[in-house]
Amino acid sequence: DADVTQTPRNRITKTGKRIMLECSQTKGHDRMYWYRQDPGLGLRLIYYSFDVKDINKGEISDGYSVSRQAQAKFSLSLESAIPNQTALYFCATSPPGANEQFFGPGTRLTVL
Amino acid sequence: QKEVEQNSGPLSVPEGAIASLNCTYSDRGSQSFFWYRQYSGKSPELIMFIYSNGDKEDGRFTAQLNKASQYVSLLIRDSQPSDSATYLCAVNGSGGSNYKLTFGKGTLLTVNP
Repeated sequence: DADVTQTPRNRITKTGKRIMLECSQTKGHDRMYWYRQDPGLGLRLIYYSFDVKDINKGEISDGYSVSRQAQAKFSLSLESAIPNQTALYFCATSPPGANEQFFGPGTRLTVL
Repeated sequence: QKEVEQNSGPLSVPEGAIASLNCTYSDRGSQSFFWYRQYSGKSPELIMFIYSNGDKEDGRFTAQLNKASQYVSLLIRDSQPSDSATYLCAVNGSGGSNYKLTFGKGTLLTVNP
């Protein structure tokens, strides 16, 4: 089984809809991250969490919210999706005391 | 705003050659440096990381750091067509941003058979 899983893997939705992307990990890592990737813009950090009670905004958090339901689960929500949120979304995890990050398979989100 | 800069490429090398990928970073306090490989439509995969105390070799891959020039490189020896991918350089932040990575936009490498 994969260490970091993301659901759904692909999603097409309409403007104004609420969307939740989920990330689960079996690595036992404490830190979790959400990124989006757009052609020409690279990976940009949306939110990150050091533990269940510690959630922090990244560089592009507007329009997004997150929930850390447990050490192993970190969800990203788009309260009212808009077309410019069409992107590839990645969850990543990082082990205690280290900086390397390990990525999930990604969710391709299209907002029409 | 901390920055990591990479040449977008494409960098094209023949099979068996050495591919040299480079990035520069702006945060002088960065201590950890990472190289990820990303195939089209897939997620980034960590292939090498080094700390500010030295270079590292792992199989066909060598990561080198020039801290004075704020420059990180990845050398791929005996390049194979399967090495064709986008390579992302990432650097950690300093101080309170120690556990955040800033990514470059990536260099597309093509290895021609």
